[in-house]
Amino acid sequence: QVHLVESGGGVVQPGRSLRLSCVVSGFTGTSYGMHWVRQAPGKGLEWVAIIAYDGSNEYYADSVKGRFTISRDNSKNTLYLQMNSLRREDTAVYYCAETTGSGNSLDVWGQGTTVTVSS
Amino acid sequence: DIQMTQAPSSLSASVGDRVTITCRASQTIAYYLNWYQQKPGRAPNLLISAASRLQSGVPSRFSGSGSGTFFTLTISSLQPEDFATYYCQQSYTTPLTFGGGTKVQIK
Repeated sequence: QVHLVESGGGVVQPGRSLRLSCVVSGFTGTSYGMHWVRQAPGKGLEWVAIIAYDGSNEYYADSVKGRFTISRDNSKNTLYLQMNSLRREDTAVYYCAETTGSGNSLDVWGQGTTVTVSS
Repeated sequence: DIQMTQAPSSLSASVGDRVTITCRASQTIAYYLNWYQQKPGRAPNLLISAASRLQSGVPSRFSGSGSGTFFTLTISSLQPEDFATYYCQQSYTTPLTFGGGTKVQIK
């Protein structure tokens, strides 16, 4: 059973940076990719970024492109999201999720970490 | 980007009712459509992948169908634990996109 645990959330001023982490534990089997998804307060789900299992490819939502960077360290079973130039509209619960099949469904989710961008 | 439109945005139903939620894609996505359930304060949970593949542990009262641009999620007999918000998501291409959600409430 794969288990994902996010950390690193908090309150940060606009324009500042924050790095989120997601530790993967348990039997992982085949991982096709890892994602970050966010949910602003009272809103729906917004996909943020994906990274391939070997880190060879990354894709981003337009809303974060150029500001956020997804990365992974497979030796530490950890996924990261470096968030720079944060804006108030980045305030959300951030979830990491894993695709374990070939169809890019989000098969396993963490419990989420909250990021609040406020002065 | 592919836009995903869910309907309705909310519905009220009784235990035992049959409920159908629709999801329409702005362009064809073949069968690359997934459904998630989210309860308040909890992470989403994958119910159905590839339009109709029920995930392990998900009750058989949930079913999905469709291909191309039109998809449905059906709950054959609504149970108390099914009151939640449901999201569709296309995984045909990046950026991956979600529907706006359907909140299923108790009548």
